[in-house]
Amino acid sequence: AQKVTQAQTEISVVEKEDVTLDCVYETRDTTYYLFWYKQPPSGELVFLIRRNSFDEQNEISGRYSWNFQKSTSSFNFTITASQVVDSAVYFCALREYGGATNKLIFGTGTLLAVQP
Amino acid sequence: EPEVTQTPSHQVTQMGQEVILRCVPISNHLYFYWYRQILGQKVEFLVSFYNNEISEKSEIFDDQFSVERPDGSNFTLKIRSTKLEDSAMYFCASMTPEKLFFGSGTQLSVL
Repeated sequence: AQKVTQAQTEISVVEKEDVTLDCVYETRDTTYYLFWYKQPPSGELVFLIRRNSFDEQNEISGRYSWNFQKSTSSFNFTITASQVVDSAVYFCALREYGGATNKLIFGTGTLLAVQP
Repeated sequence: EPEVTQTPSHQVTQMGQEVILRCVPISNHLYFYWYRQILGQKVEFLVSFYNNEISEKSEIFDDQFSVERPDGSNFTLKIRSTKLEDSAMYFCASMTPEKLFFGSGTQLSVL
């Protein structure tokens, strides 16, 4: 069965600190996709990244970077030099490839609070 | 960028009443979804819809729930007789092979 675990319920940092949000997943499929979404206080779900299981290259986008480690089934997300606007709940999600529905399974989310 | 549109943004209803949540997915998408998020909890899959029928539904999606795509553009979620525990944010989504596009959600409050 698919499962996504985000063990960190809440993280609080001071502006300009780096912060890493952990995500561990379980799946029996060899082909799958991993996602990160940001949910600001306004409530919408903002797509951040999609990574497929064949591509283990780390990715950097501005202050954001993602570390995909298939050997440990982890897909961690790092924000460098955090800003107050980064305060949100961050969800990691998994989608198996080629299933009947392609549904996403979400983790429980990590609430990131960035203090000025 | 194209958007998934949901209306209303907030809906307040009395327990036992029927509600219909509306969504306009992105026009050339083929897969449509409803997800639910109870306050402070994770986003949960409710149902997926493909080729004008339900392709999968979760345990949450019981007989009180139904979905329709009545006119080829709108995608609706109906709750026949709302319960207090149906209070949640409901997200509609549509999909390309690359990513899932979420609407901004409808906050449903059942009193």
